[in-house]
Amino acid sequence: QTVVTQESSFSVSPGGTVTFTCGLSSGSVSTSYYPSWYQQTPGQAPRTLIHSTNSRSSGVPDRFSASILGNKAALTITGAQAEDESDYYCLLYVGSGIWVFGGGTKLTVL
Amino acid sequence: EVQLLESGGGLVQPGGSLRLSCAASGFSFSTYVMIWVRQAPGKGLEWVSVITDSGANTFYADSVKGRFTISRDNSKNTLYLQMNSLRADDTAVYYCAKRPVGYYFDSWGQGTLVTVSS
Repeated sequence: QTVVTQESSFSVSPGGTVTFTCGLSSGSVSTSYYPSWYQQTPGQAPRTLIHSTNSRSSGVPDRFSASILGNKAALTITGAQAEDESDYYCLLYVGSGIWVFGGGTKLTVL
Repeated sequence: EVQLLESGGGLVQPGGSLRLSCAASGFSFSTYVMIWVRQAPGKGLEWVSVITDSGANTFYADSVKGRFTISRDNSKNTLYLQMNSLRADDTAVYYCAKRPVGYYFDSWGQGTLVTVSS
């Protein structure tokens, strides 16, 4: 059973920078897992932010960026805004038609 | 504009069945892989199932394997999820999503709530 790990919560000041990570309980995340990132506010459907490790989806502000950092995928918000207060989920393709979401990171901007 | 509209959610007793539908428009439905994702109240997202563009291949999360069946009718631009032997922990908002070229999901419906309770 593949478990994808994320920090449970983060806090950032307006204008600040924050980096979330997405790891595996066993092993390293690489581009071969095609990490993607999703933003969700309460009561809303998820919004796709990043795909294929570091490609921003259409309409996503360039303050959102992503990469592989060490053995994890990472999402960075540079210059956080109040509207970025949301839950953030990573998704990994683990092969054989199977995907796994991380548990999500709740971001507070204050 | 891509639109995905889920329907069929509701209250069902444990052990019961329900069929969800996802009506697609604004894109060539028959050429895309489609996905179901769910979210239990106050919990995170969980990938449930995927079906290839032709419907020939399907895959499931272990938590629903043997109980849920994903299918599609390309002539009706509609995706389905047949859910049998429902349990309390199947209670969730169920989203359908579209998979573009690549290994991610790029368009999402607004979801339909399934509540399993006696």
